[in-house]
Amino acid sequence: GQQVMQIPQYQHVQEGEDFTTYCNSSTTLSNIQWYKQRPGGHPVFLIQLVKSGEVKKQKRLTFQFGEAKKNSSLHITATQTTDVGTYFCAGTKWIYNQGGKLIFGQGTELSVKP
Amino acid sequence: DARVTQTPRHKVTEMGQEVTMRCQPILGHNTVFWYRQTMMQGLELLAYFRNRAPLDDSGMPKDRFSAEMPDATLATLKIQPSEPRDSAVYFCASGPSRDRGRSGNQPQHFGDGTRLSIL
Repeated sequence: GQQVMQIPQYQHVQEGEDFTTYCNSSTTLSNIQWYKQRPGGHPVFLIQLVKSGEVKKQKRLTFQFGEAKKNSSLHITATQTTDVGTYFCAGTKWIYNQGGKLIFGQGTELSVKP
Repeated sequence: DARVTQTPRHKVTEMGQEVTMRCQPILGHNTVFWYRQTMMQGLELLAYFRNRAPLDDSGMPKDRFSAEMPDATLATLKIQPSEPRDSAVYFCASGPSRDRGRSGNQPQHFGDGTRLSIL
């Protein structure tokens, strides 16, 4: 099926430790988006990667898109309690007669212990 | 700050009742999405509209769910009759027009969601 797999499902870290979540697709993606959802909140768009091998940074967050455009990662350096939430990747797959369809991964729930 | 508005924020009702959820997309956005989020299934796309026309509702149970856009400022998702397994958070999201000529997509802006409980 049209799936985007994301691992791990949960990650518990001590404040100050690094965190990485990985996203994989069996088919080539047109692009990859990353969203963050705080507990009780809604997904909020973080960034979009389009080019093969692309790397983008937002302060302590580093986003990568694989060379084959089938995988992506989000790395947070020196986590803070404000990083708590669920991080979703979402890949766009082009489907005949429907255009681009955004498919969300299952998300990685990050908890940070002070 | 432009935002997607969803009503109601919370809904508790008994099984068999009709449930209507409403969404006001961001002004100027012409793509609207309905998602359902549960612990077990995560975020599932139910329906997708572009320029008010339904493009994809393959994720929506057709027998009881229906999604419409009566006008550009209102999207509705109805469940009739509702069942306990429909309990979830339903999100509406909107986005600007997609450019078919490019590989890129556009970010989606989510509303606060409707937390639905069917007893």
